[in-house]
Amino acid sequence: DQQVKQNSPSLSVQEGRISILNCDYTNSMFDYFLWYKKYPAEGPTFLISISSIKDKNEDGRFTVFLNKSAKHLSLHIVPSQPGDSAVYFCAASDSGGSNYKLTFGKGTLLTVNP
Amino acid sequence: NAGVTQTPKFQVLKTGQSMTLQCAQDMNHEYMSWYRQDPGMGLRLIHYSVGAGITDQGEVPNGYNVSRSTTEDFPLRLLSAAPSQTSVYFCASSYSGVSTEAFFGQGTRLTVV
Repeated sequence: DQQVKQNSPSLSVQEGRISILNCDYTNSMFDYFLWYKKYPAEGPTFLISISSIKDKNEDGRFTVFLNKSAKHLSLHIVPSQPGDSAVYFCAASDSGGSNYKLTFGKGTLLTVNP
Repeated sequence: NAGVTQTPKFQVLKTGQSMTLQCAQDMNHEYMSWYRQDPGMGLRLIHYSVGAGITDQGEVPNGYNVSRSTTEDFPLRLLSAAPSQTSVYFCASSYSGVSTEAFFGQGTRLTVV
């Protein structure tokens, strides 16, 4: 039973365009959501997060949107750059906003073409 | 500025052998966790700790033991390695406050033959 789903294994976009990565979840107890970026042979690095009391959080080129009624969140990257090419993991927590116990999606490989 | 340090980076074990994956953090984080990453599976939580002396099981705890005697260290023990434990293992740590990020180590790639 996969509680966090990233249904697109891969996404390819042109440099300068928008990248939209999607994530769905099934557990209504999740109250904190995060996006991590992972390069090969490295550990995941934190990108951006959102609490369930918000519907949008923005940090530079990265914006995360949360639609609680649809149990859906998305990560927008504008403009996309070749250095953004990586695997992006969506993660969720039901620990009252704490993140020591994360449930991850399977990841989406983003390729940004020059 | 070490952050989360995992050792070793690579390891090959024979079936039935035991070993300990080391994880240390220098950020005085209360929370620490172990995840494994398998192809097409994302990261899955093995064990976690909310402070020294306190540990609990995650999603896939079988075949692994942990202890947390200090704030800095959170070793993961494989009791009797099996080929199904071939994976990449990540340790993570974070502050105890809400809405904070988790910092990950660079991973240990383990192969059990």
